Amino acid sequence: GQQLNQSPQSMFIQEGEDVSMNCTSSSIFNTWLWYKQDPGEGPVLLIALYKAGELTSNGRLTAQFGITRKDSFLNISASIPSDVGIYFCATNRDDKIIFGKGTRLHILP
Amino acid sequence: DAGVTQSPTHLIKTRGQHVTLRCSPISGHKSVSWYQQVLGQGPQFIFQYYEKEERGRGNFPDRFSARQFPNYSSELNVNALLLGDSALYLCASSLPNRLAGNYEQYFGPGTRLTVT
Repeated sequence: GQQLNQSPQSMFIQEGEDVSMNCTSSSIFNTWLWYKQDPGEGPVLLIALYKAGELTSNGRLTAQFGITRKDSFLNISASIPSDVGIYFCATNRDDKIIFGKGTRLHILP
Repeated sequence: DAGVTQSPTHLIKTRGQHVTLRCSPISGHKSVSWYQQVLGQGPQFIFQYYEKEERGRGNFPDRFSARQFPNYSSELNVNALLLGDSALYLCASSLPNRLAGNYEQYFGPGTRLTVT
């Protein structure tokens, strides 16, 4: 079936560093969504992308819809402790929302 | 404004039992989706309902069923519980607009189901 491959699986960074993660698929999609999930809570929508090549920012977060429509990137600039959590990419096809397995972000003290 | 609410927050059941989980969407949202999230994985799509009709169904057995009420709230029912059904069950609401390609979903905090 359709699968979203997120990388890296986990990352350990120092506070203040920039972060980059991506999501790829062998299929073409028309939507890319990025969510963040904190422990014990539901995912929270960060950024939604609807057009190939689209670059969208939300504060320190920037996401891009890949030109091939098979991938998307999320960047976080100047990371802070509250950025810790799991970041999921997601997309939709035939009224089904598909999630990747997530990138777990750890920030070292 | 109230977000998506789910009840109960936690639930413990034994194998073979039945469970009903409840969800109230954000005011004005007409679509509700259900997801199962097991530890270490992303949410897996179970159902989507819009205007009380099933719009999408994931790869889950018939033991899983759902419905949406006139006020757009929803219930997820799981029969004959198995140990493997232990997971966080998430509900999300949205204003699906196919023409605009808007499938942004807003999640509730989830119901943690433990089957023993």
